[in-house]
Amino acid sequence: AQSVAQPEDQVNVAEGNPLTVKCTYSVSGNPYLFWYVQYPNRGLQFLLKYITGDNLVKGSYGFEAEFNKSQTSFHLKKPSALVSDSALYFCAVRDINNAGNMLTFGGGTRLMVKP
Amino acid sequence: EAGVAQSPRYKIIEKRQSVAFWCNPISGHATLYWYQQILGQGPKLLIQFQNNGVVDDSQLPKDRFSAERLKGVDSTLKIQPAKLEDSAVYLCASSASRDNWSSPLHFGNGTRLTVT
Repeated sequence: AQSVAQPEDQVNVAEGNPLTVKCTYSVSGNPYLFWYVQYPNRGLQFLLKYITGDNLVKGSYGFEAEFNKSQTSFHLKKPSALVSDSALYFCAVRDINNAGNMLTFGGGTRLMVKP
Repeated sequence: EAGVAQSPRYKIIEKRQSVAFWCNPISGHATLYWYQQILGQGPKLLIQFQNNGVVDDSQLPKDRFSAERLKGVDSTLKIQPAKLEDSAVYLCASSASRDNWSSPLHFGNGTRLTVT
């Protein structure tokens, strides 16, 4: 069965500093990987995805993520954090080798950016 | 484009009562999903439709939960009877094509259900 782990419940960073939100995954085949952001009382919004090709993918709002197959990780990064980045972040995985497979989400990481 | 619409935004019911949620996906999106998000957790898939057919309902508690998408557009999710542990946000999402597993999901704002 596929799974996603986000080892940090919360990440605190000062505005202007780089941020990293960690994600590791487990699938039997090859993964499609996604990051979503959730603001209070809202649904999830798509940030970026890894399908194939370059291990570094760029997404919305200046975010990027690096796919590392050997470490089965897909950490979310941003060079300079903004207070408005404070939100809940979810990593998700889909096993492309299993027909009809579902998108599985991690438990989420709360990002707090302080001025 | 208009986003995924859900109603109501909030619902408070007593245990053993029934409740229904409505979702209208993005126009043209063939795949529709219902997720349950319990406070402090990631979303968990309840059911996935492709047009008006069920693709995956393996995690749907079928003794109390039901869902339909009769005309392949709007969908309703029903809980009957509700239990305290059903308190959660119910998220509807849609995507463009089931055959393209790389398509991102577009989520509605959810319905927050409180069962007392």
